[in-house]
Amino acid sequence: EPEVTQTPSHQVTQMGQEVILRCVPISNHLYFYWYRQILGQKVEFLVSFYNNEISEKSEIFDDQFSVERPDGSNFTLKIRSTKLEDSAMYFCASSPGTATQETQYFGPGTRLLVL
Amino acid sequence: AQTVTQSQPEMSVQEAETVTLSCTYDTSESDYYLFWYKQPPSRQMILVIRQEAYKQQNATENRFSVNFQKAAKSFSLKISDSQLGDAAMYFCAYRSVNSGNTPLVFGKGTRLSVIA
Repeated sequence: EPEVTQTPSHQVTQMGQEVILRCVPISNHLYFYWYRQILGQKVEFLVSFYNNEISEKSEIFDDQFSVERPDGSNFTLKIRSTKLEDSAMYFCASSPGTATQETQYFGPGTRLLVL
Repeated sequence: AQTVTQSQPEMSVQEAETVTLSCTYDTSESDYYLFWYKQPPSRQMILVIRQEAYKQQNATENRFSVNFQKAAKSFSLKISDSQLGDAAMYFCAYRSVNSGNTPLVFGKGTRLSVIA
């Protein structure tokens, strides 16, 4: 069964450094998402992406964040200058785009630790 | 804005018994989708079950079923014949149907322990 994959599984970085989190959505899916989960808290929406542009973003997704789909398969989340509070689990998700009731399928997540 | 509330931070159940996890939500929309996701220690989010608000019939998926009460804005998950592998964090989520890529709104989760 097709899966969403994410790399790396863990990332440790110094405050102020740039990080890029990578995702490979399920093939033929058209909608892509990033969510984050700070330890012990609920999963929060960051951004959704469709047709090579951002379709919706939350208040969390400020100028430090960016997303792109550099090729036909990868979907990346970049944090330009990491802060301590960016430490969280980051989940990528994708959905088919064929109907409004469709399910979002999640990847295994990348655990980001900012020191 | 929609909100999702899970009032039980932790629950436990004996193996082979039945447990019900609660979820309530707040919305002014008449049509939407509700989901239960499972997050085991591996941290991956796995879809358990989905319910369309326009359907009166409660969704079922093997040992998992929901009790969807639209008027009360309640969406509980029942796990029958609980197994050790059911131990996980369970998240209730809401999704509007306004467009094809509306984001999910999650509750804070309920940690389920299964006792052998």
